[in-house]
Amino acid sequence: AQKITQTQPGMFVQEKEAVTLDCTYDTSDPSYGLFWYKQPSSGEMIFLIYQGSYDQQNATEGRYSLNFQKARKSANLVISASQLGDSAMYFCAMREHSLGELSFGAGTTVTVRA
Amino acid sequence: DTAVSQTPKYLVTQMGNDKSIKCEQNLGHDTMYWYKQDSKKFLKIMFSYNNKELIINETVPNRFSPKSPDKAHLNLHINSLELGDSAVYFCASSQEENTEAFFGQGTRLTVV
Repeated sequence: AQKITQTQPGMFVQEKEAVTLDCTYDTSDPSYGLFWYKQPSSGEMIFLIYQGSYDQQNATEGRYSLNFQKARKSANLVISASQLGDSAMYFCAMREHSLGELSFGAGTTVTVRA
Repeated sequence: DTAVSQTPKYLVTQMGNDKSIKCEQNLGHDTMYWYKQDSKKFLKIMFSYNNKELIINETVPNRFSPKSPDKAHLNLHINSLELGDSAVYFCASSQEENTEAFFGQGTRLTVV
């Protein structure tokens, strides 16, 4: 079964606007971490933000924030004030305490328009 | 200094050949991984390895084998390459479960 679901294959956003990327996850492990990565066209994987399952507050890193709704098992990424350089593929991932590796969603391609 | 480095960045080879991709991390991390990213950009774990345990994704053919000469290196050996092995392979490392994994720049393997 798919552990991470990203339902938006692609999104367009106007420069300077905010965009929300959806991510839902499935686990029975009470301890887990949620991650977002950015993959630009150059191909590298860039870590953006992390949320732990026991964290009480939503994570923020600069223009990135994670809207963590534990009961809904969702971990949406919000990018505020979009820039042209934000155009990339974005992956949601989860690491369960019982497993070491990251499980990735299918990704969402974001295109920022000038 | 590059945290996780892979070589080569591009690899074009013929079917049936044996090839290796090298990975080194200078972060002092205990755990290293290999991921495969297919043509649809889906990332799938192949192996995770620390100095105590190798965990192999059961769907990975046994033509693929990780070799770790020391804690800082996890190389990927592929025997009898097939067309379907064409993909981007990422090496990664992490220290603890609550920290991010750092990725190498990827190796684009093309089997012709």
